[in-house]
Amino acid sequence: EPEVTQTPSHQVTQMGQEVILRCVPISNHLYFYWYRQILGQKVEFLVSFYNNEISEKSEIFDDQFSVERPDGSNFTLKIRSTKLEDSAMYFCAGNPTVIGYGYTFGSGTRLTVV
Amino acid sequence: AQRVTQPEKLLSVFKGAPVELKCNYSYSGSPELFWYVQYSRQRLQLLLRHISRESIKGFTADLNKGETSFHLKKPFAQEEDSAMYYCALSEGITGGGNKLTFGTGTQLKVEL
Repeated sequence: EPEVTQTPSHQVTQMGQEVILRCVPISNHLYFYWYRQILGQKVEFLVSFYNNEISEKSEIFDDQFSVERPDGSNFTLKIRSTKLEDSAMYFCAGNPTVIGYGYTFGSGTRLTVV
Repeated sequence: AQRVTQPEKLLSVFKGAPVELKCNYSYSGSPELFWYVQYSRQRLQLLLRHISRESIKGFTADLNKGETSFHLKKPFAQEEDSAMYYCALSEGITGGGNKLTFGTGTQLKVEL
């Protein structure tokens, strides 16, 4: 079964540094998402991406965050200047259609900001 | 705004006992509901979609629009069912996007 691949699995960074989280979606997926889960809390929506542009973003997704699909395959989440509170598990997800198909999630990147 | 509520943080049952994981939602439109499962240190996996009315690994869930619920049930719990279960809601295309809103999750522990 096809999988969504995320790298790295764990990243430790110093506060104020930039990080890029990478995702390789399933090839026939059209919609891509980033979610995050702070330890002990629920999974939260960050941003959705379709047709090479952001289709929706949450209030969490401020100017410090950006997404892009630079080469038509990889889907990246960049945090420009990390803060301690950005420490979380970041999940990439995708689905082939808008209506109710369900998402395929990646295994996540655990970001630790020190 | 949509909301998903899972009232139980932890549910502990004995092997062979019935399981019901509760999920209630609030959304003004017609939602699409899902159950996701997360085994220890693994990715979120889609377990059920309400529109397909399927049974996966013995689990079923029925959307009750009157009670705004989508409870997950299994008649006989197995040890391998121990995991974190998340209920999630999607607005669907009529809502202008299909992001998922998750509940806080219920940790199911099946004891021998």
